[in-house]
Amino acid sequence: SQTIHQWPATLVQPVGSPLSLECTVEGTSNPNLYWYRQAAGRGLQLLFYSVGIGQISSEVPQNLSASRPQDRQFILSSKKLLLSDSGFYLCAWADGNYGYTFGSGTRLTVV
Amino acid sequence: QKEVEQDPGPLSVPEGAIVSLNCTYSNSAFQYFMWYRQYSRKGPELLMYTYSSGNKEDGRFTAQVDKSSKYISLFIRDSQPSDSATYLCAMKVSNQGGKLIFGQGTELSVKP
Repeated sequence: SQTIHQWPATLVQPVGSPLSLECTVEGTSNPNLYWYRQAAGRGLQLLFYSVGIGQISSEVPQNLSASRPQDRQFILSSKKLLLSDSGFYLCAWADGNYGYTFGSGTRLTVV
Repeated sequence: QKEVEQDPGPLSVPEGAIVSLNCTYSNSAFQYFMWYRQYSRKGPELLMYTYSSGNKEDGRFTAQVDKSSKYISLFIRDSQPSDSATYLCAMKVSNQGGKLIFGQGTELSVKP
């Protein structure tokens, strides 16, 4: 069966520090992968999606970047965090027959 | 105007009540409609998946799609405290990959 792993679960980082969030998927090959951000009391905002290794599409211009170095690995990064980067970050993969399966999320607080 | 609008919460109901959650959308190309349930501090989990118009029932949950009105609903019968969560509607144009567009979510609280 397919599983998705996301870590860390919680992160507190100072303004101006770098960020690296990792997501890995097991049990499937060549998945479409997605990074979403959810602000408190808000819906999910699509940040990046990838249809293959090295292929990244950005939805919202911002202080973040994404990379896909391996088929089942998706990384969200920032060189210098801003206060506005705080939120709940979710990785997901798309099962073409259904919706998305989400990871457990990373709650990022920038202080 | 947002592509998907969801009735704002929070919504509080007594145990056993029938709950109605709704979303409207503007893109007539949407064909695949989903409802996700998200418990506090967890990732969303897929609850219901429907294609095109009509009803789909799964236990106490019924998903309804009215493409002519661009309106979808989720009904929860005999609501339980364990149903307390945020419910997000989502939809997409294509079944092959594509981007899933979410509503902002409705927070539901079922009081015992």
